[in-house]
Amino acid sequence: DIQMTQSPSSLSASVGDGVTITCQASQDIRNYLNWYQQKPGKAPKLLIYDASNLETGVPSRFSGSGSGTHFTFTISSLQPEDIATYYCQQYDNVPELTFGGGTKVEIK
Amino acid sequence: EVQLVQSGAEVKKPGESLRISCKGSGYSFTTYWIGWVRQLPGKGLEWMGIIYPGDSDTRYSPSFQGQVTISADKSISTAYLQWSSLKASDTAMYYCAKAPHHCTNGVCYDFWGQGTLVTVSS
Repeated sequence: DIQMTQSPSSLSASVGDGVTITCQASQDIRNYLNWYQQKPGKAPKLLIYDASNLETGVPSRFSGSGSGTHFTFTISSLQPEDIATYYCQQYDNVPELTFGGGTKVEIK
Repeated sequence: EVQLVQSGAEVKKPGESLRISCKGSGYSFTTYWIGWVRQLPGKGLEWMGIIYPGDSDTRYSPSFQGQVTISADKSISTAYLQWSSLKASDTAMYYCAKAPHHCTNGVCYDFWGQGTLVTVSS
């Protein structure tokens, strides 16, 4: 199965900072990657699909890029409400969808 | 308004059976894939499988194939996740989620249930 390695596992940044999370796939997954945000005690929320498409209603400070094996997720200007854990999820090999291990984002 | 409402928390003993539910409303239940995702306590997300309620086409992650059964009753817009014999290692939060049309074959999820906490303990 396809392994998704996210880094870092956690980060701390100041309000207004840019934040970047990477997701490395163990094999080529084309652009078959989604990004989710999960706040404590809540269900995940879809932010980005197909590596770079912003889900409807999601603020434009969130963006995604990449293809093949290397992907990045960026928050251009961190806001207090962005405190959450972020997960990548590949879907190149249905039905073996897999999530990355998550990146916990905190405010410095 | 699209909603997925899951059944309440469960406390079970090892070996017992269980079925949890996920009722959809505010959209055409039969024309959107529903997926199930597990989250072990303090851990990340694990994709379990999906069902297309219109024809009950069901696909399982190899990790969960044979361990759980996913089903749906389109007459009451409800999807189910069931176990025939629970183990302590099944203790987790379980989420159902709906796939939007732009994610073909149910590969991403735009609306989620609130989660059902399943605790298995002797």
